[in-house]
Order: sequence, then structure tokens, then C-alpha cells
Amino acid sequence: QAQLQESGPGLVKPSETLSLTCSVSDGSIRNYYWSWIRQSPGKGLEWIGFAHYSGSTNYDPSLRSRVMMSVDTSKNQFSLKLTSVTPADTAVYYCVRVYSSSYWYFDLWGHGTLVSVSS
Amino acid sequence: ETVMTQSPATLSVSPGDRVTLSCRASQSVKNLLAWYQQKPGQAPRLLIYGVSTRATGVPARFSGSGSGTDFTLTISSLESEDIAVYYCQQCNDWPPITFGQGTRLEIK
Repeated sequence: QAQLQESGPGLVKPSETLSLTCSVSDGSIRNYYWSWIRQSPGKGLEWIGFAHYSGSTNYDPSLRSRVMMSVDTSKNQFSLKLTSVTPADTAVYYCVRVYSSSYWYFDLWGHGTLVSVSS
Repeated sequence: ETVMTQSPATLSVSPGDRVTLSCRASQSVKNLLAWYQQKPGQAPRLLIYGVSTRATGVPARFSGSGSGTDFTLTISSLESEDIAVYYCQQCNDWPPITFGQGTRLEIK
């Protein structure tokens, strides 16, 4: 069973760029679509978007102007960049595997990483 | 955007109870509906997808039903390890993929 591990800064200043990376343990990165989902403290789950090694991406319309995701097959990693962050972007960020391109369920999750936006 | 509404927000339960959680979509999601379980301090875990198919390793006491806009997750006989927050998720109409706000199970 593959494992996912998020990495990146736990503190980002307002107006700066949040950058996270997810490492995929078993080399299956070409076989799936990959997503990021976040959860604000005490709140529910918010889908951010997905990326595929082919370059295909799709983002939540409310975040589309600030988000970029990519997949690096040479490193078995995928990444998230969120620009112009505000305190409202403070959340636990999960990297997630998509079950299939026909059924957009999330069948494998990283442990999550807390990113705080504060000066 | 398809809004997912779960009820109740919190449910007080006892071991052995039959527990029913509800999820309603603002428009039909066909059968593209999943349930997740999130225990404190952990990531969510896929429980049910396609309305009623249990994910790998999910105990048979968990079952899902419904169609269109109204869905149910049932735990036939609650065990203490089932205390968690449960979320529904639709993937019929997207972007965005949307989740319900969750139902929290607490011990009575």
C-alpha cells in the first residue's frame, strides 16, 4: 500500500506563497490523479484541485486564480502552490490520491500538515 | 455548485446502537456519492463509494444507501471505535467537488 507524506513550511506570512510537496512512496505517481484537500481548524473539508502527470489540472473555481498544482514523476512527488495567502488559508492540508478518473473519490490520504498564515 | 447538507450535526450514541446518518444534495448527484470517517487527529478515511460499495477493509456493519439527492450511512451496531466525524462527498457536478459539513458521533 502506497503512503503519502506532505512536506513544507508550517508558517507562511500573509500575501506570500504557500508551497507544499507530497511524496508518493511506491512509484505509482503516473497511475493516478492527485489532489489537495484542506481543512480549516474546526471546519469541514475543502477540495482544492487535482493534477495529473500529463499536465492536466482542475481547480476549485474560488481558488483558481491563486492555485497551481503539478506532478514531478522523476521525484515521485506532486506539489501545491497557493499565492497571496491570507489568514483564511490557515488549515491542515492533505495530499490525496484520486480513486480513478471516472470516480473522483479519495482513497488514500496523507497525514496532513498544518499551515498557519500569520505575520 | 452542489451543496451537501448533513444531518444531524451531532448525534449522541451508545455501543450497540443502530445509527443512521443523512446527507442531502442540492441537486441530483446520481450515484456519485462517498462517505468518509475522520477520527480525532487523523486524516479522513474512505468508507463507502458509489453510494453503497464498501472500501477495502471497511467492516460490514457500515452500509450506504440512497439515490439522486438523499443518502444514508448506516452503522448496524455501533462499536466504540466508530466514534468519529462522518462526511459525505459528491463528484457528479464539479468543479468543485464538495463535501458535507459532517456529522459528529459522540458517546451518550
